[in-house]
Amino acid sequence: QQPVQSPQAVILREGEDAVINCSSSKALYSVHWYRQKHGEAPIFLMILLKGGEQKGHDKISASFNEKKQQSSLYLTASQLSYSGTYFCGTEEAAGNKLTFGGGTRVLVKP
Amino acid sequence: DAGVTQSPTHLIKTRGQQVTLRCSPKSGHDTVSWYQQALGQGPQFIFQYYEEEERQRGNFPDRFSGHQFPNYSSELNVNALLLGDSALYLCASSLGLAATTQYFGPGTRLLVL
Repeated sequence: QQPVQSPQAVILREGEDAVINCSSSKALYSVHWYRQKHGEAPIFLMILLKGGEQKGHDKISASFNEKKQQSSLYLTASQLSYSGTYFCGTEEAAGNKLTFGGGTRVLVKP
Repeated sequence: DAGVTQSPTHLIKTRGQQVTLRCSPKSGHDTVSWYQQALGQGPQFIFQYYEEEERQRGNFPDRFSGHQFPNYSSELNVNALLLGDSALYLCASSLGLAATTQYFGPGTRLLVL
């Protein structure tokens, strides 16, 4: 069963913030976040292992609440380059397959 | 440092035909996973190869098969193509099996007519 992402789409003005959520009904070992632009391959953003850690990449950060099987991706002071579709991929055990959510479309306007 | 490469980039086939897609992993990687991505959806896991063996498999029929070579490159074969097999096929490589970053290739866009 694939994780559920919300919202499905979000439109931002440059400089605004946004949060993308990823929820699973199963216990998770890790959560992987990717961004995909139209016609391109998904680009890796970050991986979070169980333990509630938080990671950051420039002004994009994420958290992982293993008790709730939820992860959130935070886009801070968004830039035009942040536009694309964001996918979370969940892993139920180490070495297990990645199950991706349906994606969240992000459009950042000037 | 070469990233993940896939060939061909585009392919058009007719129903019932067979197709072979190829993937070369990122330098230093030994694990290859294949995904199918339908338009507007997230990638769906097909199978994973490590040490030339299929280690895990997603919910795909036996028409989908694969192979990994000693140099870690991999092939995805699809027999008896259906219209519903039209999709972007992505290959991802990683080092080992345990919760490591998967790097995706540009994909092969398959159209079945």
